[in-house]
Amino acid sequence: SQKIEQNSEALNIQEGKTATLTCNYTNYSPAYLQWYRQDPGRGPVFLLLIRENEKEKRKERLKVTFDTTLKQSLFHITASQPADSATYLCAVGGGYNKLIFGAGTRLAVHP
Amino acid sequence: NAGVMQNPRHLVRRRGQEARLRCSPMKGHSHVYWYRQLPEEGLKFMVYLQKENIIDESGMPKERFSAEFPKEGPSILRIQQVVRGDSAAYFCASSPGQIVEAFFGQGTRLTVV
Repeated sequence: SQKIEQNSEALNIQEGKTATLTCNYTNYSPAYLQWYRQDPGRGPVFLLLIRENEKEKRKERLKVTFDTTLKQSLFHITASQPADSATYLCAVGGGYNKLIFGAGTRLAVHP
Repeated sequence: NAGVMQNPRHLVRRRGQEARLRCSPMKGHSHVYWYRQLPEEGLKFMVYLQKENIIDESGMPKERFSAEFPKEGPSILRIQQVVRGDSAAYFCASSPGQIVEAFFGQGTRLTVV
């Protein structure tokens, strides 16, 4: 069955460092991949979308890569800040926004 | 432009009652999706609707659950005869097209007692 795996353990980093989150998928060939941020008690907020023919996408301090050979996406936050602390969700999709989500990775940025 | 509006934010139902969850998509969005999230789990796709049509309901239980998106008014997710296992956060998302960012509401947290 289709599976999306994200680091289940929380990622703790120091303010100013780069946070790198991993998303691996199996038994699936997505047309695109999306990253969302979710704060406790809130709905997910869209961050980035990368299509299968794109290797890398950037938006301000965020960067996402998409390796269809390794079936993996890496999500980077550079110059991290305590306000970046949240759960980050990876989602893969096909022909429309029928997204398959990973369970998310909790990021904690310490001052 | 208001975001995706879901109501109620919290809903408590006794076992056997009906739950109605409402979702008003962003203005100009004709694509609506419902997802369910259990604690410590990822969001699970339930159903995808366009105005007056159910496009994909493959993630929705065949019994007790139904969804609609009428020509006028919000999308409704209806759960009949709720059971404790239906307790979860239900999120609605909307988008203006298919392979574009989805905008999520704040969710309805359903508790079945």
